[in-house]
Amino acid sequence: NAGVTQTPKFQVLKTGQSMTLQCAQDMNHEYMSWYRQDPGMGLRLIHYSVGAGITDQGEVPNGYNVSRSTTEDFPLRLLSAAPSQTSVYFCASSYEPFYGYTFGSGTRLTVV
Amino acid sequence: GQQVMQIPQYQHVQEGEDFTTYCNSSTTLSNIQWYKQRPGGHPVFLIQLVKSGEVKKQKRLTFQFGEAKKNSSLHITATQTTDVGTYFCAGETNAGKSTFGDGTTLTVKP
Repeated sequence: NAGVTQTPKFQVLKTGQSMTLQCAQDMNHEYMSWYRQDPGMGLRLIHYSVGAGITDQGEVPNGYNVSRSTTEDFPLRLLSAAPSQTSVYFCASSYEPFYGYTFGSGTRLTVV
Repeated sequence: GQQVMQIPQYQHVQEGEDFTTYCNSSTTLSNIQWYKQRPGGHPVFLIQLVKSGEVKKQKRLTFQFGEAKKNSSLHITATQTTDVGTYFCAGETNAGKSTFGDGTTLTVKP
């Protein structure tokens, strides 16, 4: 009964480095999405996927790439980290779009 | 683009007092969801409202969806210290995309 699993929980990157944030769900949810949360702000949608092989951009996609090769996994790639990408990143999934998201526990990313 | 505004940003109450947060959208919503996020935690889904004028209750929490489907509210009766956290609304207009409000952070003084 894992739900949505995000790794790592914490990460420090240097400016210009790249990395992949992992997200996996075991609920057979078709819909998955990535959000970032900055202090005092709500969650902003980065990218989302309505099923394997299908992805689309959200509100703040620049600097991030995603792919969805399986139903279970939806990794988020930072291409060249910048200090502006310091944030908490949440992965979420649901049975269908906007059916009540299950969120992972988050990845706290600091870019120095 | 679509905007979802939440007020107030912060609310401090004495334990036992009531609490209400309001969510307003610039466009008509097909549905709205509410989430609670405890300090240091992740958002947890509370409820979804779909119908115009819908009212749903969960124990001391009452959720309403406006007649025009552009606003919503969450009311907590007789707050407890376990109610502390940030409450977010999220509105959907286009399928597959949702817009979250900035949240209302509730603190409860025992």
